[in-house]
Amino acid sequence: NAGVTQTPKFQVLKTGQSMTLQCAQDMNHEYMSWYRQDPGMGLRLIHYSVGAGITDQGEVPNGYNVSRSTTEDFPLRLLSAAPSQTSVYFCASRPGTGDTGELFFGEGSRLTVL
Amino acid sequence: GQQVMQIPQYQHVQEGEDFTTYCNSSTTLSNIQWYKQRPGGHPVFLIQLVKSGEVKKQKRLTFQFGEAKKNSSLHITATQTTDVGTYFCAGPPQGNEKLTFGTGTRLTIIP
Repeated sequence: NAGVTQTPKFQVLKTGQSMTLQCAQDMNHEYMSWYRQDPGMGLRLIHYSVGAGITDQGEVPNGYNVSRSTTEDFPLRLLSAAPSQTSVYFCASRPGTGDTGELFFGEGSRLTVL
Repeated sequence: GQQVMQIPQYQHVQEGEDFTTYCNSSTTLSNIQWYKQRPGGHPVFLIQLVKSGEVKKQKRLTFQFGEAKKNSSLHITATQTTDVGTYFCAGPPQGNEKLTFGTGTRLTIIP
């Protein structure tokens, strides 16, 4: 059971570099989302999607882009990395849209921006 | 925007003691969910409560959802070393798909 798969698990970037964090789920979930986790601040929603072709902003979207071309994949792009984006990033999905239902998390991607 | 606060931020207890974490939202929630994150791991879903005043139990864990649907609590009876981790509440405002997480309570157990 693959569930939610994130790659890479670790990444070090220099300020100004770009990269994409990959997220794929094999559960046919409609809803997918990206969170970042920083010490003492819990998990903050970056972007989310309720289906292929539909994305929306969360609490902290600045500096990040997303797209949802397929149900399975929801990549997160950093166009010009900044040290403030050093964090642990989690992708999460759930079966349906609406305001209810268990979120299934990936194992996380730890990003360091120098 | 919606804010979800949890207290305490940290809790150290002797093994066998009880533990409680409290969750408070600035807005009325459609439902409340609780997650556990082990050190170095990812959040794992524990439970969802939907009804005002609802109480649910899972073995030694008791979850409550407040009457006004703006607060919740998680109580663990007789903690064990396996309970170590950070506990998060999360809830969407009514009619909203965005799930806002609380700041979390980190539980450590003293054997």
